[in-house]
Amino acid sequence: QKEVEQNSGPLSVPEGAIASLNCTYSDRGSQSFFWYRQYSGKSPELIMFIYSNGDKEDGRFTAQLNKASQYVSLLIRDSQPSDSATYLCAVKENYGQNFVFGPGTRLSVLP
Amino acid sequence: DADVTQTPRNRITKTGKRIMLECSQTKGHDRMYWYRQDPGLGLRLIYYSFDVKDINKGEISDGYSVSRQAQAKFSLSLESAIPNQTALYFCATSPTSGRADTQYFGPGTRLTVL
Repeated sequence: QKEVEQNSGPLSVPEGAIASLNCTYSDRGSQSFFWYRQYSGKSPELIMFIYSNGDKEDGRFTAQLNKASQYVSLLIRDSQPSDSATYLCAVKENYGQNFVFGPGTRLSVLP
Repeated sequence: DADVTQTPRNRITKTGKRIMLECSQTKGHDRMYWYRQDPGLGLRLIYYSFDVKDINKGEISDGYSVSRQAQAKFSLSLESAIPNQTALYFCATSPTSGRADTQYFGPGTRLTVL
């Protein structure tokens, strides 16, 4: 059973701080990793994807991947109250075409 | 953004009833998926389809069936609903080429089985 694990939170950070969200996965052969943001009662929306070890930056968001440790993270710089949401980590199966989602981490950015 | 639509958006039904959830998309994507979301469990894949003639079971297909009526339509049926099928259901699509790893989700259907 392929697994993706995340701390459920809530993770609370003050406005302007860096929020760090973490994810581990069990399928060592996985090659594609994604972060989705989901506001309460809404559908998930893709905010970042990463394929290679290292960092990938997009605006205030940075995704970090370490395949040896089977670990992927998302950093949100200058956190805003509008970033308060649940963040879902997803991993694409190595030998399939499907995605395995983690349970999500709820982030609360306090004004 | 109404590229992926789901009907109904909310449904309350009773144990033993047959329910159909419908998904339509105007994105022209070949791949379509049905997920359910439960608190603390994230999204779990029920069924997926890579084209009209291709239907595959996901992680939790028991108690569900699907129909891919056209490229744009993918329906999920609960033949005899039970209370533990109460959940939020999402349809998603993805392209075959280009950004094939990107999934686009519909707005969700909240289903309650009494």
